[in-house]
Amino acid sequence: SSELTQDPAVSVALGQTVRITCQGDSLRSYYASWYQQKPGQAPVLVIYGKNNRPSGIPDRFSGSSSGNTASLTITGAQAEDEADYYCNSRDSSGNLPVVFGGGTKLTVL
Amino acid sequence: QVQLQESGPGLVKPSGTLSLTCAVSGGSISSSNWWSWVRQPPGKGLEWIGEIYHSGSTNYNPSLKSRVTISVDKSKNQFSLKLSSVTAADTAVYYCARWFRELLRSWFDPWGQGTLVTVSS
Repeated sequence: SSELTQDPAVSVALGQTVRITCQGDSLRSYYASWYQQKPGQAPVLVIYGKNNRPSGIPDRFSGSSSGNTASLTITGAQAEDEADYYCNSRDSSGNLPVVFGGGTKLTVL
Repeated sequence: QVQLQESGPGLVKPSGTLSLTCAVSGGSISSSNWWSWVRQPPGKGLEWIGEIYHSGSTNYNPSLKSRVTISVDKSKNQFSLKLSSVTAADTAVYYCARWFRELLRSWFDPWGQGTLVTVSS
């Protein structure tokens, strides 16, 4: 099916490590990409492919994948990492070629 | 680097047609990428609307396909979105984005700043 599932909300203590997950059948065939969105701003790409970071994205952001689950890990979360995070991938199994997860609200405590 | 900028009316009447344009700067729309529209209703997640290649090939979200047209103007280095028969459910921030599509991976980068379109009489 053309769906990616994310936990609606996750929290992490300042400086600790947090993993945000994304599940879906399409992830067995395609890598996920991850986007950070802060209030009132456009999404920003943070991870794509196996584990690629665009220029300017801190190396505390990393990605991984296993089976039908993709993960975004933030190692040593900072206050500025508080945001919504969306996963995305291609999908050839359904009738929708591009799918987004529902988003995860990350709170840094 | 490539930058995208959406433009168009911020208010559309119910049953009318939403029309937006995305201007591409810092690069050519004829590069080997797809160009997409994504929308986000207030307080909700991202929804892919559709995409276009510089050749004019398009793909649309099936849920919107009957109402959506995406076109490209290579001479102006821009692409456009038209969404007909709009209702309040089409109220959203509309983003344009460049979509890289490879065999096993794909990603949207960059995104435009987004433009809020409200459907109301």
